[in-house]
Amino acid sequence: QSVLTQPPSVSGAPGQRVTISCSGNRSNIGGNTVNWYQQLPGMAPKLFMYSNNQRPSGVPDRISGSRSGTSASLAISGLQPEDEADYHCAAWDDSLNGPVFGGGTKLTVL
Amino acid sequence: EAQLVESGGGLVQPGGSLRLSCEASGLTFSASNMNWIRQAPGKGLEWIAYISGSSDTIFYADSVKGRFTVSRDNAETILYLDMNTLRVEDTGFYYCTPGGGSWFDPWGQGTLVTVSP
Repeated sequence: QSVLTQPPSVSGAPGQRVTISCSGNRSNIGGNTVNWYQQLPGMAPKLFMYSNNQRPSGVPDRISGSRSGTSASLAISGLQPEDEADYHCAAWDDSLNGPVFGGGTKLTVL
Repeated sequence: EAQLVESGGGLVQPGGSLRLSCEASGLTFSASNMNWIRQAPGKGLEWIAYISGSSDTIFYADSVKGRFTVSRDNAETILYLDMNTLRVEDTGFYYCTPGGGSWFDPWGQGTLVTVSP
């Protein structure tokens, strides 16, 4: 059971907008920044969004991140087939004194 | 560009041991804090170990504390994970990655550890 809670799956048609939620508590998301990792099928994870809403080089601006209270979300607009992947959220946890992850969300482009 | 290559995974019986290695290039290894993160089949990511650049600070997740040992050779730019008393639930891909907090970048391709009778 993961410390952060994500929906197991989301889906959308090409061109649509989807959001992936990540829920935590005051010890993790409520007091620390959130990072997101994209994991393409059969590949290692890759940093996809950092410090809640900062895009690494190469991530298009149709991708955005936000954090409010003890939750965070990743939004993907203009869905494309290559967006199909697993997305994992992560945050430092002050109570556990270590980083914690969500269970991952599988994004399917219909 | 930083590259990380893990090796040493394989099939081992419960109670057995393995040593994983992670060869790093393209980064100032001795200045890089390093982590091991694992992923059980079909599951999410789990951070398991952290070691600072100078090896003076080491942390473990409770799930591996007392059984796993992280170390590094800065001269050879290699990160290690010694795994003892392995359990079936230790099965999964093991990744090495530099970083701190919950920021990890880049990641190696991973090495698969299978613990089975």
